[in-house]
Amino acid sequence: QVQLVQSGAEVQKPGASVKVACKASGYTHITFPIHWVRQAPGQRLEWMGWIHGGIDNTKYSQKFQGRVSITRDTSANTAYMELRSLRSEDTAVYYCANGASGYLDYWGQGTLVTVSS
Amino acid sequence: SYELTQPPSVSVSPGQTASITCSADNLGNKYASWYQQKTGQSPVLVIYQDTQRPSGIPERFSGSNSGNTATLTISGTQALDEADYYCQAWDSSTGVVFGGGTKLTVL
Repeated sequence: QVQLVQSGAEVQKPGASVKVACKASGYTHITFPIHWVRQAPGQRLEWMGWIHGGIDNTKYSQKFQGRVSITRDTSANTAYMELRSLRSEDTAVYYCANGASGYLDYWGQGTLVTVSS
Repeated sequence: SYELTQPPSVSVSPGQTASITCSADNLGNKYASWYQQKTGQSPVLVIYQDTQRPSGIPERFSGSNSGNTATLTISGTQALDEADYYCQAWDSSTGVVFGGGTKLTVL
């Protein structure tokens, strides 16, 4: 059974960066694909990007291109999402999710990121 | 960019059938998935590849996808099905796309 456990809540100031971790267990292969999705309070799910494949292929949503980086440490079975130049509109719950075939079948518990001065 | 459109809300009486639609150009040429999200919880996959149910999802959840519309159907709706439902598709240029979500009320 795949489990994704995310790092804890963060409070950051505008202009700062945040890096959220997502540790996976239950995978039978190393090159696990991980998506990142965020949800602002009362808003829809919003896809940010994903990492997949043996050479860390990444694809990012146009909205976040240049401001987000998704990486992973296969030795630690952990993926990371870093979002830079934070603004108040980035206050949201950030989810990691596993998905290799166009759908997201396992989700982490979510990490609340609050951007406030 | 590719966009999926859902009705903001759907209401259904207990025991009746609820249908939630998701529309986009030629959506039937892509696979649609559906997620259930209860307040304060992570989304849960309930339908993938248009019609497939993951292990543990009740049989009352079913899906279809043809033309420009995908539909999630919940037969014999129960109070515990009250939640937000999101459709999702994969677009080769945009990536993962979610609909705006539909709040299902069971009353």
